[in-house]
Amino acid sequence: AQKVTQTQTSISVMEKTTVTMDCVYETQDSSYFLFWYKQTASGEIVFLIRQDSYKKENATVGHYSLNFQKPKSSIGLIITATQIEDSAVYFCAMREGGNNNRIFFGDGTQLVVKP
Amino acid sequence: GPKVLQIPSHQIIDMGQMVTLNCDPVSNHLYFYWYKQILGQQMEFLVNFYNGKVMEKSKLFKDQFSVERPDGSYFTLKIQPTALEDSAVYFCASSLGTGGYAEQFFGPGTRLTVL
Repeated sequence: AQKVTQTQTSISVMEKTTVTMDCVYETQDSSYFLFWYKQTASGEIVFLIRQDSYKKENATVGHYSLNFQKPKSSIGLIITATQIEDSAVYFCAMREGGNNNRIFFGDGTQLVVKP
Repeated sequence: GPKVLQIPSHQIIDMGQMVTLNCDPVSNHLYFYWYKQILGQQMEFLVNFYNGKVMEKSKLFKDQFSVERPDGSYFTLKIQPTALEDSAVYFCASSLGTGGYAEQFFGPGTRLTVL
């Protein structure tokens, strides 16, 4: 069965600090793709970063980076130098390989960045 | 980045009525999706559409649901008849392909309220 679990419901941090959001996933596939999306207060869903399961190097895009620990089925999102505008709900997601296109989402983690 | 548009942003209808949600996907994308998000919950996959056909659907994609994209126009989700439990935000997404082009870009959502 496929499942994505985000145990942190809400995180509050001070501006300019680093935050890590946890995510674990379950899949039987040997090939899969992992994503992080951000949902803003307006409801807009923004793609942030992805990690392909066969890649050992952690993905990095801007001030987002991933901590991919394949043996633990874990894909943490790290945001460095957080800004007020990073406040949003962050969804971890997984897509299996092959012809499957459906994305399985976690429940989301609410991030609040305080000045 | 690539933009997916959705029309309308909010729709209120009476139970039993028909509703059509419209999605204008990214222009060169070939795969289209609908996801459903009940308030405060995770997004859940409904359906994947490619080359005029439903490729994959979930248990949430009831018999009352249908999708089409006539002549490259809007990608639509039709619900006929609607039920109270259909109240949710419906997100359309599109992707260029699969595998290395697996990123799905989401629209802003249509909030459907069934009374």
